[in-house]
Amino acid sequence: ETGVTQTPRHLVMGMTNKKSLKCEQHLGHNAMYWYKQSAKKPLELMFVYSLEERVENNSVPSRFSPECPNSSHLFLHLHTLQPEDSALYLCASSQAVPGQGVNTEAFFGQGTRLTVV
Amino acid sequence: QQPVQSPQAVILREGEDAVINCSSSKALYSVHWYRQKHGEAPVFLMILLKGGEQKGHEKISASFNEKKQQSSLYLTASQLSYSGTYFCGTVESGGSNYKLTFGKGTLLTVNP
Repeated sequence: ETGVTQTPRHLVMGMTNKKSLKCEQHLGHNAMYWYKQSAKKPLELMFVYSLEERVENNSVPSRFSPECPNSSHLFLHLHTLQPEDSALYLCASSQAVPGQGVNTEAFFGQGTRLTVV
Repeated sequence: QQPVQSPQAVILREGEDAVINCSSSKALYSVHWYRQKHGEAPVFLMILLKGGEQKGHEKISASFNEKKQQSSLYLTASQLSYSGTYFCGTVESGGSNYKLTFGKGTLLTVNP
C-alpha cells in the first residue's frame, strides 16, 4: 500500500465508449501525475497537476482529458480511444514537483490496466 | 529528452554486484531512481541532485556526475528481493520544473 489508490484495476472498453480512471491520495501531497506505461515505451509522463492546477501536458491527444477537482483526487477521462492506447495507466503523487529537488519522491498507485477493443 | 539506460538487462547470482548506468545528452538538475517489481507499482529508491553526490539505500547506492550528465546505480551483494526493473528519471537543468523523464529501464534478475 503506497497511499495512492487507483480504480478500477482493470478496464476493457470499446473505441466508442467513454470511461474514467480515478486516483486518490491521502498523503497530503501537492502534486499529482498521470503516466502511461506500455510494453513498447517506458514510463511516459502525460499530465502534471500542482496545487490543483494543470502545469504540464506532455503532448497528449485530446481523447485523454484530466481533471483534478481537489488536492486528493485526480481523474483521467477517456473517450474514442484507439487500440494503441491499451496500456497500464499509473497515477502518482509527490509533496513537491521534480524540479524542486527535495520532497520530490513520487508515490505510485497500482495502476489501471486498460484494454481498448 | 529521454535518458539512456544500460544495460537493458542483467542476470546475477545472489551475492553478486551490478552497476546500472543512466546518461543524458542534456544538462541535468537531478536524477531519480525507482524500482518496479513485476505487477507492482514503481517504488522510489533515491534522488541525486547536481553536485556529484553519492547516496546510499541499504546495499544500493548511486552517484551523479553532473559534468558527464551520468548517474550510476550500484547494487552490492545482491539479494533475491533486488529483482525488478530499475528506472532512472531525469530533470533537465533549465527545463520544465514539472517534467521527470524516465529511461526505458534495466531488468535485473537475481537467481539463487
